[in-house]
Amino acid sequence: QVQLLQSGPGLVRPSETLSLTCTVSGGSISGYYWNWIRQSPVKGLEWIGYIYHTGSTNSNPSLKSRVTISIDTSRNQFSLRLSSVTAADTAVYYCARDPMDVWGQGTTVTVSS
Amino acid sequence: EIVLTQTPLSLSVTPGQPASMSCKATHSLLDSDGKTYAYWYLQKPGQSPQLLIYEVSSRFSGVSDRFSGAGSGTDFTLKISRVEAEDVGVYYCMQGVNHPITFGQGTRLEI
Repeated sequence: QVQLLQSGPGLVRPSETLSLTCTVSGGSISGYYWNWIRQSPVKGLEWIGYIYHTGSTNSNPSLKSRVTISIDTSRNQFSLRLSSVTAADTAVYYCARDPMDVWGQGTTVTVSS
Repeated sequence: EIVLTQTPLSLSVTPGQPASMSCKATHSLLDSDGKTYAYWYLQKPGQSPQLLIYEVSSRFSGVSDRFSGAGSGTDFTLKISRVEAEDVGVYYCMQGVNHPITFGQGTRLEI
């Protein structure tokens, strides 16, 4: 059974870069799209973007200029980097396999000095 | 961007009674491949969302047959035939036909 385990810091300073990693266990990272989604009280569930195992990506236009999603198939991991964060980026961040049938446990990220 | 509007925002149901909720999209969720990319998720308190229904009416593996999805085009419905205490949480619809992928604002089910 495929499981997703998220890792990364829960506190990020304003203007810095948020970095999270999702490790896929119990199955291969190949052949699927892998998503990042966040959830906040203000915006609800918001799709950030996805990456295919080949490395092709797509992201939400509202975040596109700040989002980098990468993949390491040898380690069965994919990662999110969100640059120039502000308090508005405070949220619970999830990774999920497309079509969001498997989710990570969620990481609460707070942007604060 | 496709906007999904869910109604009602909250629902209080007696155990054993049915429940129904709606999701309306600003554009059709029917893709050129003939599939309709409408999904339903349940987020139980303190948990990540979990997939219930995909492509309008297909139940995901392990999902109780008390849950059923229906609809077409822009209008979709999730029904629970007999609500149980474990069904408490927030139900979200999601569309995957166009990017960006978007979610509804959720319907909170209470017992």
